[in-house]
Amino acid sequence: GEDVEQSLFLSVREGDSSVINCTYTDSSSTYLYWYKQEPGAGLQLLTYIFSNMDMKQDQRLTVLLNKKDKHLSLRIADTQTGDSAIYFCAFPNRGSTLGRLYFGRGTQLTVWP
Amino acid sequence: DAGVIQSPRHEVTEMGQEVTLRCKPISGHNSLFWYRQTMMRGLELLIYFNNNVPIDDSGMPEDRFSAKMPNASFSTLKIQPSEPRDSAVYFCASSTGTSCLFGPGTRLTVL
Repeated sequence: GEDVEQSLFLSVREGDSSVINCTYTDSSSTYLYWYKQEPGAGLQLLTYIFSNMDMKQDQRLTVLLNKKDKHLSLRIADTQTGDSAIYFCAFPNRGSTLGRLYFGRGTQLTVWP
Repeated sequence: DAGVIQSPRHEVTEMGQEVTLRCKPISGHNSLFWYRQTMMRGLELLIYFNNNVPIDDSGMPEDRFSAKMPNASFSTLKIQPSEPRDSAVYFCASSTGTSCLFGPGTRLTVL
């Protein structure tokens, strides 16, 4: 299977920016995804980026993709307590958009008031 | 759209009993996935279907697990007999090719 690495924990103060990082091994993925999981809930698709893009911005969310280093990051500006959740990066196998997604272990983001 | 629907949301059963989890994918999505989430192993893909046909079931733990998709709007995951180590949250997800959307999950506890 594909190797997807994420740090497990991140703590920030309310109002600060959060940066969640992810590294991967397969460079043929066409889409790269970020999911958010709140306690007791399912995974919510947060955003995704095409592999031919370097950056995508969506309100407080900024996704950065460094294909050379196989590094994906999610920046949350003005982090709020409601952003506390587990964040997963995910990639389809071998560029397929119909096949399975490979998930990282997830980063637990804790936002302190 | 109601999203991916799973039932039951919670299931508590005793070891040895049969458990059936149900999923209704989003209408028009042609791929369906069953994932299992535990603290120890994170998210694991159990099986996925494309146009109702099982494509990859290599993640199914053992013969006690089986999954079916009789039509485009319904799938089941069955565990028979269940064991305490099967306790986990089971997610169903469906995809149209660009985005994969998850259901709320079924929390299974096997005593």
